Amino acid sequence: KQEVTQIPAALSVPEGENLVLNCSFTDSAIYNLQWFRQDPGKGLTSLLLIQSSQREQTSGRLNASLDKSSGRSTLYIAASQPGDSATYLCAAPEGDNYGQNFVFGPGTRLSVLP
Amino acid sequence: GAGVSQSPSNKVTEKGKDVELRCDPISGHTALYWYRQSLGQGLEFLIYFQGNSAPDKSGLPSDRFSAERTGGSVSTLTIQRTQQEDSAVYLCASSWRQNTEAFFGQGTRLTVV
Repeated sequence: KQEVTQIPAALSVPEGENLVLNCSFTDSAIYNLQWFRQDPGKGLTSLLLIQSSQREQTSGRLNASLDKSSGRSTLYIAASQPGDSATYLCAAPEGDNYGQNFVFGPGTRLSVLP
Repeated sequence: GAGVSQSPSNKVTEKGKDVELRCDPISGHTALYWYRQSLGQGLEFLIYFQGNSAPDKSGLPSDRFSAERTGGSVSTLTIQRTQQEDSAVYLCASSWRQNTEAFFGQGTRLTVV
């Protein structure tokens, strides 16, 4: 059974800092891993989907890496801005290699202070 | 539509009543997922559809919960005889097929009073 954890649970940084969010998963037989952000009272916004064959995926100031062998993924946010304040969730598939559903971590609540 | 659409956005119901939550996935997406997020909690998987079939119903919390999908498109999550512990945000997501990027709707906030 897939289990996903995220550290830190919360993070507060001044604007402009680079930061790293961590995600760990127990079942490394995954096809992909996805990062989302969730603003208060809102749904989830997809940030990056990284395939198991990839090591990194980049979108703007975001860079996600995936190390299946160690069961880890990181989300790097460069030059953070107050608008980046949100909860960041990672999700890994469960249900053999083809993952029929995503298992979500508890999230990292990020506050970027102006 | 351009994104996943859920309705209603908010629903207040009395304990014991039945409710129906609707999800319109992105056109052409064959995979559809329902999740539940209770206040301050993480996302809990409920059910997954591939086309109109639900190969994985393992997450449905009780037999009061059921879901269907018709025409490979719209899905309805039905909760019978609602209880206060059913209060949560119900989120729907769709993806082109299994193992592709999932896109979420804005959710339905259900409050059982």
